[in-house]
Amino acid sequence: DTAVSQTPKYLVTQMGNDKSIKCEQNLGHDTMYWYKQDSKKFLKIMFSYNNKELIINETVPNRFSPKSPDKAHLNLHINSLELGDSAVYFCASSQEGGRGYEQYFGPGTRLTVT
Amino acid sequence: AQSVTQLDSHVSVSEGTPVLLRCNYSSSYSPSLFWYVQHPNKGLQLLLKYTSAATLVKGINGFEAEFKKSETSFHLTKPSAHMSDAAEYFCVVSDRSGGSYIPTFGRGTSLIVHP
Repeated sequence: DTAVSQTPKYLVTQMGNDKSIKCEQNLGHDTMYWYKQDSKKFLKIMFSYNNKELIINETVPNRFSPKSPDKAHLNLHINSLELGDSAVYFCASSQEGGRGYEQYFGPGTRLTVT
Repeated sequence: AQSVTQLDSHVSVSEGTPVLLRCNYSSSYSPSLFWYVQHPNKGLQLLLKYTSAATLVKGINGFEAEFKKSETSFHLTKPSAHMSDAAEYFCVVSDRSGGSYIPTFGRGTSLIVHP
């Protein structure tokens, strides 16, 4: 049974469109994250939610909006997609947001903007 | 502010020889440190973590890392490489920033294993 799942796995779309990526975890964790991995494999945290409350909001264009309907789900909505948004987006969860808690990652969503 | 430097973007070894992936960090407080592995087209998986207990940490698949505060290092080692170890490896520091703990990733080291 998958611990952290993301849909879709691949997403190809045109500039200017709006798209969403969904994430679900069945681990009972309190904290969830969104990361962006660029073509050079660099991982950058975008957002983090703890029990549906936004706790980390890094420097991300406001075209990106996370939504957490409950603590098992964290979705990412992207408006007016740009070429530079092409990347792999990873969802992750951890038991809590504290210093010692490891993260469990989903398989990633490869977004290609043409 | 915290940061992580992975000193090698690529490391190439022969199967059966030792592996050393280097990581240096800077942190204002007492950090937690992690190593994750990412196989091609997969998500990241935890190899091991340090959270202020024993400085020599053992992880999965024969990997281990030693926390050296005086050198601000957390290098990852394995005595004998397997072909299946070929992957991208990330060193991560998690420390307090404002009211939250923010994980900061190194840029990754690609491990290449030759037969």
